[in-house]
Amino acid sequence: DQQVKQNSPSLSVQEGRISILNCDYTNSMFDYFLWYKKYPAEGPTFLISISSIKDKNEDGRFTVFLNKSAKHLSLHIVPSQPGDSAVYFCAASATNTDKLIFGTGTRLQVFP
Amino acid sequence: DAGITQSPRHKVTETGTPVTLRCHQTENHRYMYWYRQDPGHGLRLIHYSYGVKDTDKGEVSDGYSVSRSKTEDFLLTLESATSSQTSVYFCAIRPSGRGLGSSYNEQFFGPGTRLTVL
Repeated sequence: DQQVKQNSPSLSVQEGRISILNCDYTNSMFDYFLWYKKYPAEGPTFLISISSIKDKNEDGRFTVFLNKSAKHLSLHIVPSQPGDSAVYFCAASATNTDKLIFGTGTRLQVFP
Repeated sequence: DAGITQSPRHKVTETGTPVTLRCHQTENHRYMYWYRQDPGHGLRLIHYSYGVKDTDKGEVSDGYSVSRSKTEDFLLTLESATSSQTSVYFCAIRPSGRGLGSSYNEQFFGPGTRLTVL
């Protein structure tokens, strides 16, 4: 049973436009959410996170939105750049657990 | 840079042989993790450690064992490798000094080991 789902395996966006990556979760105990970015032949790198006490967190071109009632979060990248082309993983955790649960990833391609 | 190295970075082995992957960290973090990444599955936790000699299973632990005799090293062993264990393996740490509670659950990953079992 996939507790964290990324239903879009891939996304293609033109440079300068907005990229929106989506993530859904099923476990209502999750209260902290993270996005990771992964380039080929490298380890995932932490990008941005959000606690369930917030509905938005922003860091430069990256913004994560959380809709707790819908059990949905999204990552917005504005403006998208070719260097953003990577696989993006959504992850979730619950209070007092030591583990992250990851989604299956979305491959973002930003073209000129 | 969380000071995480993995060795080897690439390995090809045959079915039935034992394989040990090493994760080394330089910053004395208490928590260390082993994941595997496969197409269509994302990152799945194999085992993790919350201190020297303290380990626990993840969601895909069958066929794997771990050991942590020193803070800085976390070893993943495939006792008898199978083709289904062909994957990319990542080690991760959770920074020390962060208490329990989801606000401190960021993990930082090593560069990975690509393992092929023929």
